[in-house]
Order: sequence, then structure tokens, then C-alpha cells
Amino acid sequence: SQQGEEDPQALSIQEGENATMNCSYKTSINNLQWYRQNSGRGLVHLILIRSNEREKHSGRLRVTLDTSKKSSSLLITASRAADTASYFCATGDDMRFGAGTRLTVKP
Amino acid sequence: NAGVMQNPRHLVRRRGQEARLRCSPMKGHSHVYWYRQLPEEGLKFMVYLQKENIIDESGMPKERFSAEFPKEGPSILRIQQVVRGDSAAYFCASSPSGELFFGEGSRLTVL
Repeated sequence: SQQGEEDPQALSIQEGENATMNCSYKTSINNLQWYRQNSGRGLVHLILIRSNEREKHSGRLRVTLDTSKKSSSLLITASRAADTASYFCATGDDMRFGAGTRLTVKP
Repeated sequence: NAGVMQNPRHLVRRRGQEARLRCSPMKGHSHVYWYRQLPEEGLKFMVYLQKENIIDESGMPKERFSAEFPKEGPSILRIQQVVRGDSAAYFCASSPSGELFFGEGSRLTVL
């Protein structure tokens, strides 16, 4: 399967700092998607990047995609305590998720 | 347009009983995914359905688990003869095609 694998498993930062998390996958894709999950709730879609795109922005989120390395990164700038959540990636081809990155933003 | 609705939100069953979890996708969405999540873990893919068809059930145990998405009505995830290891949160997501919209999950506890 294409399952996205996120790293690091956990990340703890201070409010105002930037947070970067990574996603790797195995074979060619049509698109890659990032989601957030707050404490056991349903996942919320954050951003979709297509295979022919290299970078995409949405508010404080910046996603990059390197198809040659089969990897993507999610950057959250100027983090807030409310960004504390788990973040997951999935390829649009099979919508399988990894274990996620647990982000803690300390006030 | 209401979001993805899952019910029940919480379900308690004794070992050996059956659990039925329902998912009503968003209006106009014809794709439904089911996932299982254990505490502090990621979402494990179970099954992908389109109306009246199972597209991919490779993540679902071969025994005791079944899923359907009929022409009319919600998608159903059915677990027969539940065991303690079935205790988990079960999430449903629907999609028109592309991004997923998730429900709030059904939390199954098996006593």
C-alpha cells in the first residue's frame, strides 16, 4: 500500500516557534494530503498537494512535495497552543494513514 | 449540508454480542471509508466502499467483520461476536472524490 509515514512521532515546541513534520511514501502518487486530529476527534483536512506541485500555502501552513524523494513536509509557522494535535498524511491514491506526528505547542 | 454523521457515538457490548456502527455520508458523497483507531495510535484503514460496492476491504479482518453501503441509507460496519480486542474508536469518512470528510467516530467498548 501507499501508506504515508510521518516523522517525528512527537514534537514539542514553544508558542511562536515553527513546527516541521515529514511524510514519506512508497510509490508514485496523484496527490498527497495532510490532516489534523484533535484529541480523539475526527480528522480534519488541512491541505492537498498534487504531484505536479512543489509547494503550497494555506494561511500559516506550508506544504512541500518532493516526488524524487517520495516525501512531503508540513510547516506550521508561528505556532499557537491551539495547534496542539496529531498530524497525519495520506496519499490520495489509497487514503491510508501512518501513526502521525503528535505536536505539542506550549504556551 | 450536514457533516458526516456517525452513530452511535458510544456503544458498549459484552463479548459475543454484535456491534453495528452507522455512517451517513455528506450529501452527494458516494465514497465511504472506515478506519479503526486504538488509543495513542494512528488510523488503520479497514474498508473503502462506493454505493452498493466494496472497492477495497484489504484492511478488514476476514472473519466477524463486514461492511456495506446500500443504495439507500447509511453505510454499516458490522462486527459479530465481539471480543475485547475490538474495543476502539471507529471512524467513517466520506468523499466526493479527493479529500476526506470525517465523522466524530463511534467508540466501541467490549466488556
